[in-house]
Amino acid sequence: DAGVTQSPTHLIKTRGQHVTLRCSPISGHKSVSWYQQVLGQGPQFIFQYYEKEERGRGNFPDRFSARQFPNYSSELNVNALLLGDSALYLCASSLVAQTRYNEQFFGPGTRLTVL
Amino acid sequence: AQSVTQLDSHVSVSEGTPVLLRCNYSSSYSPSLFWYVQHPNKGLQLLLKYTSAATLVKGINGFEAEFKKSETSFHLTKPSAHMSDAAEYFCVVSDNAPNDYKLSFGAGTTVTVRA
Repeated sequence: DAGVTQSPTHLIKTRGQHVTLRCSPISGHKSVSWYQQVLGQGPQFIFQYYEKEERGRGNFPDRFSARQFPNYSSELNVNALLLGDSALYLCASSLVAQTRYNEQFFGPGTRLTVL
Repeated sequence: AQSVTQLDSHVSVSEGTPVLLRCNYSSSYSPSLFWYVQHPNKGLQLLLKYTSAATLVKGINGFEAEFKKSETSFHLTKPSAHMSDAAEYFCVVSDNAPNDYKLSFGAGTTVTVRA
């Protein structure tokens, strides 16, 4: 079975631009979460989607948005990019939203560099 | 509210010697706790998880961790380090609060293994 896939692997943008990152969850998983990992830090929670509805949002500005499609894939959008948005963006999928008995599987990430 | 503190940013051990990675957590509910490992240029992999069953949890690759509620700790150990254990390790907590399913990561501990 394929794991969580993310595209693109790397990308470089300039300040003020917009970016869209994509994630395909493991087949059968209905929940997708997004995390931002700045170099040298642990991942920070951005969003969780379950059954195409937003179920959680971290402490990120409104420049960050996301959505989940009927096939459970997801997009993360970031507008008006800042230098500080440079990070590894991780997508995680799970069967359902709850974490207690439900492992989140992480993709390899998209490395975003903002110049 | 939930948070994690990893007490060591860097741990260096000799191959064949024990490894101890320390983690303290804060949670307002009955938390789930996890340890993830991140090898360079690879995705996060779950090592083990505590979800309110046995307090001593065994994971993959010989790792184990003990949940100690009185000390709010969830330290990770391995009896004998292998060169392949060199990686970044993250302690992670989930509050299991109603309608709050995010994971909160610690800052990470970098493990180096000397031959």
